[in-house]
Amino acid sequence: GEDVEQSLFLSVREGDSSVINCTYTDSSSTYLYWYKQEPGAGLQLLTYIFSNMDMKQDQRLTVLLNKKDKHLSLRIADTQTGDSAIYFCAESGGSSNTGKLIFGQGTTLQVKP
Amino acid sequence: DAGITQSPRHKVTETGTPVTLRCHQTENHRYMYWYRQDPGHGLRLIHYSYGVKDTDKGEVSDGYSVSRSKTEDFLLTLESATSSQTSVYFCAILPGQGHHGYTFGSGTRLTVV
Repeated sequence: GEDVEQSLFLSVREGDSSVINCTYTDSSSTYLYWYKQEPGAGLQLLTYIFSNMDMKQDQRLTVLLNKKDKHLSLRIADTQTGDSAIYFCAESGGSSNTGKLIFGQGTTLQVKP
Repeated sequence: DAGITQSPRHKVTETGTPVTLRCHQTENHRYMYWYRQDPGHGLRLIHYSYGVKDTDKGEVSDGYSVSRSKTEDFLLTLESATSSQTSVYFCAILPGQGHHGYTFGSGTRLTVV
């Protein structure tokens, strides 16, 4: 079945780059997403990438997609303490007509000053 | 942005009691979803709706029912709450054309004692 896997924890120093990785199983996914969740809040869409793209850049965020290996990564440049949060990878699977998303377990990013 | 509110924000209930969580949206979007968030599991889909009176099950639907009698409201009911249903529940909407990904509510923290 569909599955999305992420490492659970990442710790970086302020100013360094952070790379959060995700693997997924459904090669028919049309879109892949990154969401951010701050403590006590809902999830906010950070960025997304269409499955026919290899890379997408949006200010400090870079998304890389390797379709062959079904691997997605999110790079945050110049990481700030305000980037501390849980980051979720999600795939649309083959059910894009219903909008269902499959989420990973979430990666907690800790940014040390 | 689409307005989406969940109520209540927090609830403590006893095992065996019925509980209903409400999700309300202000912009008549067709698709609405209920997820639960648990440590180590990320977000898992409980039920979703694709229109008034049109609902379907997600991956963890056992013990839950939903209703959508109006476009703006999507209700999640635990018929007889159990401790395993202690969780944070998120409602999401799919804003539709021109948008990607979900807009999430702020969540309901439910504790079953």
